[in-house]
Amino acid sequence: EVQMLESGGGLVQPGGSLRLSCAASGFTFSDYAMNWVRQAPGKGLDWVASVTGSGGRTNYADSVKGRFTMSRDNSKNTLYLQMNSVRVDDTAVYYCAQGFGSENYYMVLWGTGTTVTVSS
Amino acid sequence: IQVTQSPSSLSASVGDRVTITCRASEGISIYLAWLQQKPGKAPNLLIYGASTLQSGVPSRFSGSGSGTDFTLTISSLQPEDSATYYCQQLKSFPLTFGGGTKVEIK
Repeated sequence: EVQMLESGGGLVQPGGSLRLSCAASGFTFSDYAMNWVRQAPGKGLDWVASVTGSGGRTNYADSVKGRFTMSRDNSKNTLYLQMNSVRVDDTAVYYCAQGFGSENYYMVLWGTGTTVTVSS
Repeated sequence: IQVTQSPSSLSASVGDRVTITCRASEGISIYLAWLQQKPGKAPNLLIYGASTLQSGVPSRFSGSGSGTDFTLTISSLQPEDSATYYCQQLKSFPLTFGGGTKVEIK
């Protein structure tokens, strides 16, 4: 069964750091691009970052560029999002989503999400 | 690239034909997806490439359009279609979503 499970969310103070993980199973992880998408409480979907299947290329939303780093470990079938200098407006449910191919970012399958709350 | 959806919400009866539109601020060819999200759940891909139905999605859902104007149609609304629908452009980074259309059943 293809699935992805996010973890690492929690409560963090403004200016702090957090690392999210997304463990994938049931497919050849390195064959697929991956995405992070977030959703603030009561709001719409907000793309955060994407990475190619090889991990060689990443793209970021301007709102997180320079603060967040997306990476993947294909030997562990795991995707990461390192969040530094977090702000109150980073509060959201964070989803990982599998792409359609190595450099195809259509979001075919989504995890259940992990909640990040930034508050003092 | 900005993506604008309309309407932001609608209410329709079971069996009705429902249409949601999405407009991109510049041409995106057919690099558009439609997703459905039910409360408390992760989104689900319905359509990609503007008109290709994702595997397992009921055939009452269809998508059309290219360039800047796109449409999601539900041919006969069912109770389980109550959800928020989002379009998303994938022509170029940053990837962007529309603001969503909340569909309620009368």
